[in-house]
Amino acid sequence: KQEVTQIPAALSVPEGENLVLNCSFTDSAIYNLQWFRQDPGKGLTSLLLIQSSQREQTSGRLNASLDKSSGRSTLYIAVSQPGDSATYLCAVSFGNEKLTFGTGTRLTIIP
Amino acid sequence: GAVVSQHPSRVICKSGTSVKIECRSLDFQATTMFWYRQFPKKSLMLMATSNEGSKATYEQGVEKDKFLINHASLTLSTLTVTSAHPEDSSFYICSARGTSNEQFFGPGTRLTVL
Repeated sequence: KQEVTQIPAALSVPEGENLVLNCSFTDSAIYNLQWFRQDPGKGLTSLLLIQSSQREQTSGRLNASLDKSSGRSTLYIAVSQPGDSATYLCAVSFGNEKLTFGTGTRLTIIP
Repeated sequence: GAVVSQHPSRVICKSGTSVKIECRSLDFQATTMFWYRQFPKKSLMLMATSNEGSKATYEQGVEKDKFLINHASLTLSTLTVTSAHPEDSSFYICSARGTSNEQFFGPGTRLTVL
């Protein structure tokens, strides 16, 4: 069964620190991987999309990496800000058009 | 970036009634749209995949007669929850995909069935 796991489920970090969110998946034959942000009661905002042929993508203070052989992706957030507080979801396309979502990491940035 | 809208954003209905939720791609043509359901503090679960002009493909365990999906145009898909019951209360999110493989998500619809 193709599964996506995110650990920890919740993380609190003081403002200004750099942090890493983790995502692992069970099948290395992925098509692409996306990181999303979800604020409470809201929809999803796409942060970064990594194609299977890529190893990383960067957007501003965000950097996502992909290691297919180990079944892992990380989302690195530099110089965290209170506005970064949200739930971060990792989603994998396992060679078809569907996205399989992880359970998310709820991030709290402490001012 | 690509924008996807959903309407309504929030709906409260009585048990036994039907509710229609619209999903629109505003600045691109979506050959494929997806409908997800999200329970509180849980992740998204795919309900069905719809392609313009054809019948939707439902995930295992999702009743197609309960959740009617219509993808009549390249910019609009609708989800109708028929004979809604309190257990159907949830957050419903759609996404749309155009020529790229990236899915763009709507803001979600909060359904509460009394």
